[in-house]
Amino acid sequence: ILNVEQSPQSLHVQEGDSTNFTCSFPSSNFYALHWYRWETAKSPEALFVMTLNGDEKKKGRISATLNTKEGYSYLYIKGSQPEDSATYLCAFGNSGGYQKVTFGTGTKLQVIP
Amino acid sequence: DADVTQTPRNRITKTGKRIMLECSQTKGHDRMYWYRQDPGLGLRLIYYSFDVKDINKGEISDGYSVSRQAQAKFSLSLESAIPNQTALYFCATAPGRSSYNEQFFGPGTRLTVL
Repeated sequence: ILNVEQSPQSLHVQEGDSTNFTCSFPSSNFYALHWYRWETAKSPEALFVMTLNGDEKKKGRISATLNTKEGYSYLYIKGSQPEDSATYLCAFGNSGGYQKVTFGTGTKLQVIP
Repeated sequence: DADVTQTPRNRITKTGKRIMLECSQTKGHDRMYWYRQDPGLGLRLIYYSFDVKDINKGEISDGYSVSRQAQAKFSLSLESAIPNQTALYFCATAPGRSSYNEQFFGPGTRLTVL
C-alpha cells in the first residue's frame, strides 16, 4: 500500500485569505499526481493532473505545483471564497500500477464569510 | 442525465444479509472502480476493472466481490454484510488505460449495516 499523506487534515480561513496545503507521496516510480475537489454531498471532481517535475497548473484562483524528486505537491487558493469550502484530495499514480491511483485522506477547507 | 449513476443511493441492512450495489455509466469508459470512504481514511480502492474479462483486487477487497456485466455496468456485492462495512461507496470511471486520465465519480451509495 502506497503512503499518500495530506496536511493539514483541516483548516479554517477567513474569506479573502490565501491558503495552501500539501500532498506527500513516494518519490520513486512516479507517474501522475491528481488533485480533486470534493464538496459536501457531492462527488469528487478533478481539478488538475500533473506528470512532470516542476509542473504548475492553474484554474482561476486555484493553482498547484509538483516536485516529483522530493515527493510533494502544493495546492494554493488565492483570495479564498466561501464556495471554495470543500475537501481537496490528491491522488498518486505510480508507474508500477499505472491503471489506478492511491488517494490521500484529504484536506477539509472551510472558508468563513 | 448523470454520466455515472449508482443505485441505491442509500441502504440500511442487517448483519449477514447479501447486498448488491450497482453502477452504470454512459461515458463509454473502459475502466471502472469501486471505492469506499470512511471518515479520516480517504477513498480506498476495493476493486477495479478494465473490461468485462478483467477484474482486479484493490487494497481492501476482502468481504467484497464484483461483476462487470457489460462495459457500462459494474456491480459490487457484499456477500454477508458486517457492521464495519458501513461506509460511503463510490463508483468511478476513467478513459483509456493510464492513471494520467482523471476519474469521474458517481453520486455515492451510503450503506449502513446494523
